[in-house]
Amino acid sequence: QKEVEQNSGPLSVPEGAIASLNCTYSDRGSQSFFWYRQYSGKSPELIMSIYSNGDKEDGRFTAQLNKASQYVSLLIRDSQPSDSATYLCAVNNYGQNFVFGPGTRLSVLP
Amino acid sequence: DTGVSQNPRHKITKRGQNVTFRCDPISEHNRLYWYRQTLGQGPEFLTYFQNEAQLEKSRLLSDRFSAERPKGSFSTLEIQRTEQGDSAMYLCASSLAQFGEAFFGQGTRLTVV
Repeated sequence: QKEVEQNSGPLSVPEGAIASLNCTYSDRGSQSFFWYRQYSGKSPELIMSIYSNGDKEDGRFTAQLNKASQYVSLLIRDSQPSDSATYLCAVNNYGQNFVFGPGTRLSVLP
Repeated sequence: DTGVSQNPRHKITKRGQNVTFRCDPISEHNRLYWYRQTLGQGPEFLTYFQNEAQLEKSRLLSDRFSAERPKGSFSTLEIQRTEQGDSAMYLCASSLAQFGEAFFGQGTRLTVV
């Protein structure tokens, strides 16, 4: 059973729209949650971290965490073609290693 | 601060050869992680260090893989007797604390022919 699950996509949205990316995790003891962006052939780049229930906003990005539902999401407002990439959800359990989901491929259409 | 640095960026090797990769973490970070990523998959955990201590090693990791972090600074990942299935991107990341944000290096792309 996978510990972190994401819809692999591709998720296609028009330029200027809101992109919504979702992630579920299996370990209720998970304590920190992260979103990474990865362009093709490049390494993951940290976008957001979230540690407590609720929303966290940073520019066009909003991370949402619901520990009761074991659910993390990332909203990208005013999506741009440059946002086209794979978005990886990562969970840190008990301060040990980071467990990554398979990633969701986002395509923003001009 | 130049971020996490990995060398080499690309490595092509013949099956059966040994290869070694190096990772220099962000200087004040005490945690260092190694991951492997293949096309279309998320990064897969290999091992991590806190300072010089190797705290966890993936059960998926065969005995051909070994990692070190002498003096708690840079780390090396060695693969002995490489196989074609070892072809992947090898990623290193570092973090300041156990729950802190982890930052990745550029990765080393290994091709075994």
